[in-house]
Amino acid sequence: KQEVTQIPAALSVPEGENLVLNCSFTDSAIYNLQWFRQDPGKGLTSLLLIQSSQREQTSGRLNASLDKSSGRSTLYIAASQPGDSATYLCAVRPAGGYQKVTFGIGTKLQVIP
Amino acid sequence: GAGVSQSPSNKVTEKGKDVELRCDPISGHTALYWYRQRLGQGLEFLIYFQGNSAPDKSGLPSDRFSAERTGESVSTLTIQRTQQEDSAVYLCASSSRTGVDTQYFGPGTRLTVL
Repeated sequence: KQEVTQIPAALSVPEGENLVLNCSFTDSAIYNLQWFRQDPGKGLTSLLLIQSSQREQTSGRLNASLDKSSGRSTLYIAASQPGDSATYLCAVRPAGGYQKVTFGIGTKLQVIP
Repeated sequence: GAGVSQSPSNKVTEKGKDVELRCDPISGHTALYWYRQRLGQGLEFLIYFQGNSAPDKSGLPSDRFSAERTGESVSTLTIQRTQQEDSAVYLCASSSRTGVDTQYFGPGTRLTVL
């Protein structure tokens, strides 16, 4: 059974700082990995999706890496802004069962102005 | 077009009552997912629909839970004889192709069972 762990559970940083969020998964047989953000009272917004054959994806100030063999992914946020404050979720889609995505509990990020 | 919509946004019910939650996916999306998010926990997969194929119901926690979808349109999640442990946010997502494209999530329905 796939297990997804996110560290840290919560993070508070001053505005402008670069930061890294971590995601680890136990079963390396994945199809893809996706990072989402969730704002309070709202659904999830997709940030980056990395296919199993890829090493990283970039979008603006966000960069996500994937090391499938070690079961790890990181989300790097450059020059953090107060608007980045949200909960960041990592989700892993298995190679064999496309529909059963496993989510981590998330990292709650607060960027202090 | 519009994103995924869900209704109601909030539902408070008494233990033992039935509730029905609705999800309107993005037009043209063939895949639809239901998830449950309990307070402080990760998203739990409940059920998956892909076009006219038989749904994957393996995530439904008990026979009190059921879901329907007609073709590639609206889906309803029904919880019968609600229990307090059913209190959670129920999220719906749709995608254009299973296993390949990203999931687009609705805002969720917050269910509170008193």
